[in-house]
Formats: sequence, structure tokens, C-alpha cells
Amino acid sequence: NAGVTQTPKFRVLKTGQSMTLLCAQDMNHEYMYWYRQDPGMGLRLIHYSVGEGTTAKGEVPDGYNVSRLKKQNFLLGLESAAPSQTSVYFCASSYSVTGTFREQYFGPGTRLTVT
Amino acid sequence: AQSVAQPEDQVNVAEGNPLTVKCTYSVSGNPYLFWYVQYPNRGLQFLLKYITGDNLVKGSYGFEAEFNKSQTSFHLKKPSALVSDSALYFCAVHNFNKFYFGSGTKLNVKP
Repeated sequence: NAGVTQTPKFRVLKTGQSMTLLCAQDMNHEYMYWYRQDPGMGLRLIHYSVGEGTTAKGEVPDGYNVSRLKKQNFLLGLESAAPSQTSVYFCASSYSVTGTFREQYFGPGTRLTVT
Repeated sequence: AQSVAQPEDQVNVAEGNPLTVKCTYSVSGNPYLFWYVQYPNRGLQFLLKYITGDNLVKGSYGFEAEFNKSQTSFHLKKPSALVSDSALYFCAVHNFNKFYFGSGTKLNVKP
């Protein structure tokens, strides 16, 4: 199993450019999440999905959009990048057993710089 | 509002000594509690979790954590620290389909 993978690993964008980050998991997990990590602020939830075809907003959704057309993939889009979106982005997946949530599995991260 | 607090940005401990990384939470209902570790330039790795049952839970690499409902705390502990334990540690709470993370505590274990 590859677990959770993220593409790309690094990216530099200019202000106003757009891009899509891809997250893929091969564990058949129902739940998927996108976080951003900034120094001293821990992880903040951007968007999440509780199943194929569903998405919901997290703590910091502005400037981002997501889609989950297939259960194994969760895409994060930046329509018009801003310097404030410079961050490290992590994808995670999780599952539940008889209604009890289990731990998250994290991808290796994408380091995004917006100039 | 749901929140997780890790009051110490950094914890310094000598190798072989016990370590504690603190975590307190504020959530409604009965939360699920987690600890994760992050090594430089890596994603987070799961250490342990509390769902229900015994208040002392044991996890990977000799770590354990004690759930205290009255103090709403979930402190991470290890009886004898290793230099290789040096990393960034995150406490997290799961509630209503979301995970809430603390700001992280950097653990430095010195030889």
C-alpha cells in the first residue's frame, strides 16, 4: 500500500496563478481532509469530505475549492493564488469502525510558495 | 467552540529522563483524543488515541497518555526519553467529523 500520496511535493506560484493539488489514498477510507500548516499555528482544516461526492468547509476555506469525484482522490484548488497561501499543505484520510472514528493517515505534504 | 491547547511551545529533557507533553481540550460531548508526531519535512504520524475505557493508553515507541476528564487533559508521557524522540508533537481532538489540532510542542531530548 502506498498510503496517502500528494502531488506535487513542491511548487512556486506567482500571485494570481491557479493550481490544483492532488491527494490519493489506496486504503478505501471514507473521510479525507486538507490542512495547511504554518509556523506556530499547528494544522488548520481547509476542507474535508465524508464520502465520495461530498465536501464541506473547515476552519479556513476562503480562497480554496475542493472536489471528491472518486473515493480515492481529493483535489484542492487555488483559483487565484495569494502570498498568504504560502504554506505547507497536508492531506489526510481516515475511516470509522461501527461508528467510531479512527486515526488519520497523513501524506508527505506539499510545500507551496506564492510570490 | 472546539479548541485544543498545548501550553508549551518547547519541552527540553535529558536523555533517560521522563518526559511529559501537555494537552488540554475544550469540546462538547465525548471527544476522541489523539497524539501525532512530526519529524522534519515529513507528514504527521499517529502515536496513540483514546476512544473509551482505560484512562491510560499506550502507543507506539513507548509513549503513553493519560486521559483526565475532570481536567479535560490528555498529556503525553514517556518514562525514559531518547534522543530520537526529538520531534514536533501534536495533540488532536475529533468531534463532529472534524479533527482539531493543537499548535504543537517541540520536544528536544539532549544526550
